[in-house]
Order: sequence, then C-alpha cells, then structure tokens
Amino acid sequence: RKEVEQDPGPFNVPEGATVAFNCTYSNSASQSFFWYRQDCRKEPKLLMSVYSSGNEDGRFTAQLNRASQYISLLIRDSKLSDSATYLCVVKGWGKFQFGAGTQVVVTP
Amino acid sequence: DAGVIQSPRHEVTEMGQEVTLRCKPISGHDYLFWYRQTMMRGLELLIYFNNNVPIDDSGMPEDRFSAKMPNASFSTLKIQPSEPRDSAVYFCASSLALAGTRYEQFFGPGTRLTVL
Repeated sequence: RKEVEQDPGPFNVPEGATVAFNCTYSNSASQSFFWYRQDCRKEPKLLMSVYSSGNEDGRFTAQLNRASQYISLLIRDSKLSDSATYLCVVKGWGKFQFGAGTQVVVTP
Repeated sequence: DAGVIQSPRHEVTEMGQEVTLRCKPISGHDYLFWYRQTMMRGLELLIYFNNNVPIDDSGMPEDRFSAKMPNASFSTLKIQPSEPRDSAVYFCASSLALAGTRYEQFFGPGTRLTVL
C-alpha cells in the first residue's frame, strides 16, 4: 500500500461548479500536510498548507481528518485556470511523501 | 528573484552513458531536494541536503545514482551508468526550513531525461 494515495481522476468539472477530492495517508504520526498544484509539463507549486482546524484561501478550502487519516481539497466556483493536477504532500519525521496527484479538468 | 535553476532542461543520452544534472537553489535556502517524477511512480524524493550535508538518501534507487552539494549554491545528481528506466523528469527544490511557515519548497523547472 502506498503511503499517500489519491484518486488520479480526471475530475471533469463544469466552469463555476464545485469539486472536492481527498488524499489518504497511512502514517498516523504524520505532522504536516500540504496541497501543491502542477500544471502540465511544469514544476509543482505550493497551493496551500493544511491546518488541523481547516483553512480557506479564496475559493480553495482544505480540511484535515486525523481520525480517518485523510486531507481534502475543495474548489468552489471553478475557473478554467484551475485545470491542473493537485498533489497532496504529507510530512512526517523529516520525510516528504507526495501523492501521485488528482487531475482536475474544468470545462467551459 | 531567479528561483531554482536547473540545467540542462532536456537531456537525451544512450544507455551506459554518464548523466549529470545540475541545480542552483534559491540563495539563502538551507534545504535542497532532488526528486524524480514518472507517470508510473509519481513524484519521488531521492535525497535532500541541509546546509550542504546529505540528510536522507534513502530514496536514491541504487548505487548508480549519486548526489553532491559542494557549496550552498550548487548541487549535482549523477547517474552512471544510465539505463532506459532512468528516463523521467528530475526536479530540484529548495526551502528555507523543513517546518513552519518557511517550509515551502520551491521547485526548479526540471530536467527531462531520456535514456535510449
């Protein structure tokens, strides 16, 4: 079993709609959690950190569920420019584990 | 700000040849990471350095891979001899810290390696 797992998608989302997806992790001692965004043939870039109480950044909301060991990302009012692959990152004891990514395709 | 610089951007080589990938981290960043990304395996951490010292190289696939960081502004990842299964995009990233608000890893544009 992979330490960090994501649904690869693609999630096809009409422009303006809401999309949400999860990332599960196996190490219960994991300490920090992040979402990165990667555009096609580009490098990953930090989208947002995930805090225990949940946090928002504009149209993006991240949640952490330690009991069930998953994090989630919700995108409201999807824009065409949100089309990308979203990578979750789990950090524990100095090790960074990236998920394989969830592809989101926003359609007009 | 130049960001993380990697060279070359593309490399095509033949099996058995030596390949050297180069990285210049963002000035002042104490941590440097080397990653490999493939469709099959996603993004994998190969090794990371703190203040030029290798901290964790458990992700380095085998002895054919080696990484060095002779100073704070330069690192290399070497594959010798290269094999077709090494074909991937290799990213270098740097960060100020491993935790807290200064954690963010900044990635370079990557080196797309093809081994024939």
